[in-house]
Amino acid sequence: RKEVEQDPGPFNVPEGATVAFNCTYSNSASQSFFWYRQDCRKEPKLLMSVYSSGNEDGRFTAQLNRASQYISLLIRDSKLSDSATYLCVSADRGSTLGRLYFGRGTQLTVWP
Amino acid sequence: ETGVTQSPTHLIKTRGQQVTLRCSSQSGHNTVSWYQQALGQGPQFIFQYYREEENGRGNFPPRFSGLQFPNYSSELNVNALELDDSALYLCASSLGPDGYTFGSGTRLTVV
Repeated sequence: RKEVEQDPGPFNVPEGATVAFNCTYSNSASQSFFWYRQDCRKEPKLLMSVYSSGNEDGRFTAQLNRASQYISLLIRDSKLSDSATYLCVSADRGSTLGRLYFGRGTQLTVWP
Repeated sequence: ETGVTQSPTHLIKTRGQQVTLRCSSQSGHNTVSWYQQALGQGPQFIFQYYREEENGRGNFPPRFSGLQFPNYSSELNVNALELDDSALYLCASSLGPDGYTFGSGTRLTVV
């Protein structure tokens, strides 16, 4: 079983739509969680960290549910520039100083 | 503009050959990790170096090896290349577990 599971999509939404991505993680000892964004043929870039209290950055809201081992990302008022692959990530802080476990990514296309 | 530089950007090798990929980490970052990203998949952890010592390894065979130098730059070496080694190889540097910066990667094609 993979450490992080997420629906690969693709999600195709019109501009202005609200879209939600979900993922689950299997290691209850995971310490940190993130959403990364990856544009086609580019490197992953940190979108936001995810906290149990929930956190918001403009149109983006991330949520962590430790009891269910579930992470979500909500994008409101989608823009064309939001088209990318969104990677759900967990990290352990054991001996490996924060090894990252990536889901396979969810592809989002926003159309005009 | 990323502070992590990888070279080369693209590479084509023949099955059975050996390859060395290089990474110059962001200034002051003493931890470097290497990831392999196959097409349509998320990056998979290969190994991590902390102050020139290997500090964790993923599920990759011994023909994947690495080095970290005193200036914290790093190399990934792959021997006896196989077709399935074709992937994007990403280097990430960090001062701690939360602040990873990825390089733009080396796209390796094995034919």
